[in-house]
Amino acid sequence: QKEVEQNSGPLSVPEGAIASLNCTYSDRGSQSFFWYRQYSGKSPELIMFIYSNGDKEDGRFTAQLNKASQYVSLLIRDSQPSDSATYLCAVNMVGTGTASKLTFGTGTRLQVTL
Amino acid sequence: DGGITQSPKYLFRKEGQNVTLSCEQNLNHDAMYWYRQDPGQGLRLIYYSQIVNDFQKGDIAEGYSVSREKKESFPLTVTSAQKNPTAFYLCASSIAPWRTTYNEQFFGPGTRLTVL
Repeated sequence: QKEVEQNSGPLSVPEGAIASLNCTYSDRGSQSFFWYRQYSGKSPELIMFIYSNGDKEDGRFTAQLNKASQYVSLLIRDSQPSDSATYLCAVNMVGTGTASKLTFGTGTRLQVTL
Repeated sequence: DGGITQSPKYLFRKEGQNVTLSCEQNLNHDAMYWYRQDPGQGLRLIYYSQIVNDFQKGDIAEGYSVSREKKESFPLTVTSAQKNPTAFYLCASSIAPWRTTYNEQFFGPGTRLTVL
C-alpha cells in the first residue's frame, strides 16, 4: 500500500468550475499536510498547508483535512486555465523517525478547459 | 531576493562519470533536502541535512553522496554507481524541524540530468 495516494488523473474541469483534488495517507500519526502545484518542467510551488481537522481557506483555494478518515483535499474555486498543472500532496509522517521528512504522492494532473 | 538556486539547469553526463549538482539558499534555513523526480512519479528523497556537518540518507541514497560544510550550500554528487541517474533533481530547504511544527519545504528550480 502506498503511503500517500492520489488519483493521477487527468482531472478535467471547465473554466469557472470547482476542481476537487483528493489525497489519502496511511500513517494515522501524520501531523501536517501540504499541497504543491507543479507546472510541466518546473519545480513544485507550495500552495497551502493544513494541520488541524476542518477547512483552511486562502483565496480561491481551500484545503480540507479529516484525520479520522486519513483524507486531505484541495478545492480550487473559479478554476482558471492557469490552474492547469500537477498537484502534489505531501505528508509529514511521524512514523519515519524524524519530523523533517515529507512523503509525496505521485500527483494529480488538472486540466481546466475553456 | 531570497531564494534557492540550483545549477546547472541542464546537465549531460557520460556513463561512468561522477557529476556534482549545486544547491545554494539565502533563506537562512537550517534544513536542506535533495529529491529525485522521474516521469509520472512523485518526489523521492535522496539525502537531507538538518544542520551543518550532518546529513542523513533518504529513501534512495545508493549511488549518491552529499556534503554540508556551510549552512547555505548542500551539493549533491551523482556517482557512477548510480545505475539510472537520468532524472529531474530538486533541492529544497526549510526551517529546522525543531523550530516549527509544519516543516514547509521550498524548492529550487531543479537540475535536469541526462546520462548519454
